[in-house]
Amino acid sequence: QITLKESGPTLVKPTQTLTLTCTFSGFSLSTSGVGVGWIRQPPGKALEWLALIYWDDDKRYSPSLKSRLTITKDTSKNQVVLTMTNMDPVDTATYYCAHGTVQGSSGYYYYSYWGQGTLVTVSS
Amino acid sequence: AIRMTQSPSSLSASTGDRVTITCRASQGISSYLAWYQQKPGKAPKLLIYAASTLQSGVPSRFSGSGSGTDFTLTISCLQSEDFATYYCQQYYSYPPTFGQGTKVEIK
Repeated sequence: QITLKESGPTLVKPTQTLTLTCTFSGFSLSTSGVGVGWIRQPPGKALEWLALIYWDDDKRYSPSLKSRLTITKDTSKNQVVLTMTNMDPVDTATYYCAHGTVQGSSGYYYYSYWGQGTLVTVSS
Repeated sequence: AIRMTQSPSSLSASTGDRVTITCRASQGISSYLAWYQQKPGKAPKLLIYAASTLQSGVPSRFSGSGSGTDFTLTISCLQSEDFATYYCQQYYSYPPTFGQGTKVEIK
């Protein structure tokens, strides 16, 4: 049974750095083909993909946010950490981590399992 | 980035109705398309991947079709628990992108 759960601050001030942790169970991020991604959703708006880390430590970032994002993993702790620098009120959103599932041998990933999400508000 | 456009943005339907949602990609994505269902205050739930493959545990009243740029999600007989917002997502190229969502409301 695969589960994921996000944790981190609920309120950050503008210009601060946000650090979110995804703690998961039911799979290992050292297993070939596995990935963990981050997706966010501003209140009342659509989903926006942020980043993905692969089992081999390869990483992908949203081009529009790449300069502000860092994704890392701690395989021994079953955790993935996302940091986002220079937070702004427009970054207020629910942040989700999700299990990236590869479609066959294609190398293309969709998201089969999602955490419950954590709402982060950016305000002074 | 590939733009995903869903239509309609919202629809009203009754229990038992057949509902179809359309998703169009700004360029070809083969069959690398997923559909998600999201209820208020909850995380998205994967319904379909590879454009037409039903995720394990998802009721068979849900189906997906299409390839290239045009895709559809069909709910054959709408149930009360199906009232939600639906998103398509392409995963053919980075960054993965989502449609703006289609809200299915009770008529």
